[in-house]
Amino acid sequence: EIVMTQSPATLSVSPGERATLSCRASQSVSSNLAWYQQKPGQAPRLLIYDASTRATGIPARFSGGGSGTEFTLTISSLQSEDFAVYYCQQYNVWPLMYTFGQGTKLEIK
Amino acid sequence: QVQLVESGGGVVQPGRSLRLSCAASGFSFSDYAMHWVRQAPGKGLEWVAVTSYHGSDKAYADSVKGRFTISRDNSKNMLYLQMDSLRLDDTAMYYCARDKSGWYGISEYWGQGTLVTVSS
Repeated sequence: EIVMTQSPATLSVSPGERATLSCRASQSVSSNLAWYQQKPGQAPRLLIYDASTRATGIPARFSGGGSGTEFTLTISSLQSEDFAVYYCQQYNVWPLMYTFGQGTKLEIK
Repeated sequence: QVQLVESGGGVVQPGRSLRLSCAASGFSFSDYAMHWVRQAPGKGLEWVAVTSYHGSDKAYADSVKGRFTISRDNSKNMLYLQMDSLRLDDTAMYYCARDKSGWYGISEYWGQGTLVTVSS
């Protein structure tokens, strides 16, 4: 099983500032990496797939990068609605078992 | 618009069974792979299972392999999760999610979830 490790567990950032979240895979997943946002009481929402492609309707302030084992999600200028928990997920072809990271909580500083 | 509505959750004793359902609408159901993802109270997301668009190919997380079965009925636009030999640590919100294609691996659209509580 591929283990996904996110850091930090909690990130405190002021509105308008940039936030960078990290995700590391225990073995290479190529670019088969997605990012999701989840707000309290809501279902997750897909933000980024294929490591750097924004999903439909996702603002340009969200960007993803990386390949292999190291990935980042950057939010260029934080808006109030961006404070949430973010998860990375790998969907590599083999082993056929998709796994999520443990999440990073982005909170208002 | 894509709609996914889960049902079938509830309180069940350890060792018993439960079947979850997910009603899909707003898209061509038979063209997309479908996933189940769960979230224990106050915890992170855990991918559970996936079925291909035609239902012939499936994959499971190690934690549910041999106990849970994912299936679909394309004639009814329905996704199912048969959960047998339930354990206390299966307690979670269970989400149904649509893939981006016939088998891509990502959950593009999500339902609102159905809560399963395993308790004696």
